[in-house]
Amino acid sequence: GQQVMQIPQYQHVQEGEDFTTYCNSSTTLSNIQWYKQRPGGHPVFLIQLVKSGEVKKQKRLTFQFGEAKKNSSLHITATQTTDVGTYFCAGGAYSGAGSYQLTFGKGTKLSVIP
Amino acid sequence: NAGVTQTPKFRILKIGQSMTLQCTQDMNHNYMYWYRQDPGMGLKLIYYSVGAGITDKGEVPNGYNVSRSTTEDFPLRLELAAPSQTSVYFCASSYSTGEGETQYFGPGTRLLVL
Repeated sequence: GQQVMQIPQYQHVQEGEDFTTYCNSSTTLSNIQWYKQRPGGHPVFLIQLVKSGEVKKQKRLTFQFGEAKKNSSLHITATQTTDVGTYFCAGGAYSGAGSYQLTFGKGTKLSVIP
Repeated sequence: NAGVTQTPKFRILKIGQSMTLQCTQDMNHNYMYWYRQDPGMGLKLIYYSVGAGITDKGEVPNGYNVSRSTTEDFPLRLELAAPSQTSVYFCASSYSTGEGETQYFGPGTRLLVL
């Protein structure tokens, strides 16, 4: 079945440093979504990428979708303490039977040291 | 709109006890999902439903049951609680399951089985 791997599992950065998390799928994806979960909270949708090579920005966050639509990355510039949380990617793909499935990665937990 | 609501927020069960986790959404979404999230881990799909009267197993369905009698409600039943079911349970909903669908998560239910 479809597998979505995410690295690193944990990342500790000094406030102001950059942060990147990577997502890799075992199969070609139709789209990829990114979610953020604050400590003790629930996952909240951030963005969706659909096109090969697509790049989207949200303030200090930059999201990329690979040319082959099998990998993606989230880059945060100049991290702030408000960025603390776990970032999940979720890959969407259609099975051989034509049904659509969204598979979550295990997430990258970001800690920011003030 | 309240979005996705879950009750209870927290529950302690003894081994062998049973309980129902409630989930309600007021967004008229067809698709609903139950995930579990073990400490420091990602989301694992337990069951999902594509509409009233239709449910299907996810990645980790053993020990759980679901029903979907209405569009709004998707309760999760634990019949014989085991320590391995200690986790945080998230309910989510989406309008469709095709490309572009975003999953909206409830606040979660923290379950401790002793």
